[in-house]
Amino acid sequence: GIQVEQSPPDLILQEGANSTLRCNFSDSVNNLQWFHQNPWGQLINLFYIPSGTKQNGRLSATTVATERYSLLYISSSQTTDSGVYFCAGGGSGGSNYKLTFGKGTLLTVNP
Amino acid sequence: GAVVSQHPSRVICKSGTSVKIECRSLDFQATTMFWYRQFPKQSLMLMATSNEGSKATYEQGVEKDKFLINHASLTLSTLTVTSAHPEDSSFYICSAHISGGYQPQHFGDGTRLSIL
Repeated sequence: GIQVEQSPPDLILQEGANSTLRCNFSDSVNNLQWFHQNPWGQLINLFYIPSGTKQNGRLSATTVATERYSLLYISSSQTTDSGVYFCAGGGSGGSNYKLTFGKGTLLTVNP
Repeated sequence: GAVVSQHPSRVICKSGTSVKIECRSLDFQATTMFWYRQFPKQSLMLMATSNEGSKATYEQGVEKDKFLINHASLTLSTLTVTSAHPEDSSFYICSAHISGGYQPQHFGDGTRLSIL
């Protein structure tokens, strides 16, 4: 199956700083999502982005499908951005809608 | 839109008990739902794919007799953990895929299962 590699595994920022999270895939994907998991375990869908660039407020994401990677940008970070960020991909080969998750990036934003 | 409701949010029960978790798509039809398991400080691991009206497809290493999945309608899938033991304690989360092509999965809020 597809392998998903996320980096960095941990990231500590001061409030107001910018950051970039990366996700590499071992194979091409037709589905790609970025999530933020809050301390209560809720998985918040940030972006559905199998290709191209999207922006939502202070967050934006870019996927370069031909090179099998995606980036999540967080600008002007806030303490509420803390938590685990996951990327997940799938859909290569037929009508397979399964998602494989990366191991996540644990983001800590300090005041 | 695209809301997935998962119940219960937390369960604490004795070893040997069977526990049922429900996953409902509230405002869309989902021919396919997915069940994931997450251990503390780890990622989500897919357990099984639930297809409406047919048997679930389990990932390698997941015991189908331990984790019974039923997808009786286009809006409801259930996961039953049979004869649960402490090692089954985990965070279980479901997702639903809107019918028709490649689209995002929508996730429930998860169920924290603790077996004493």
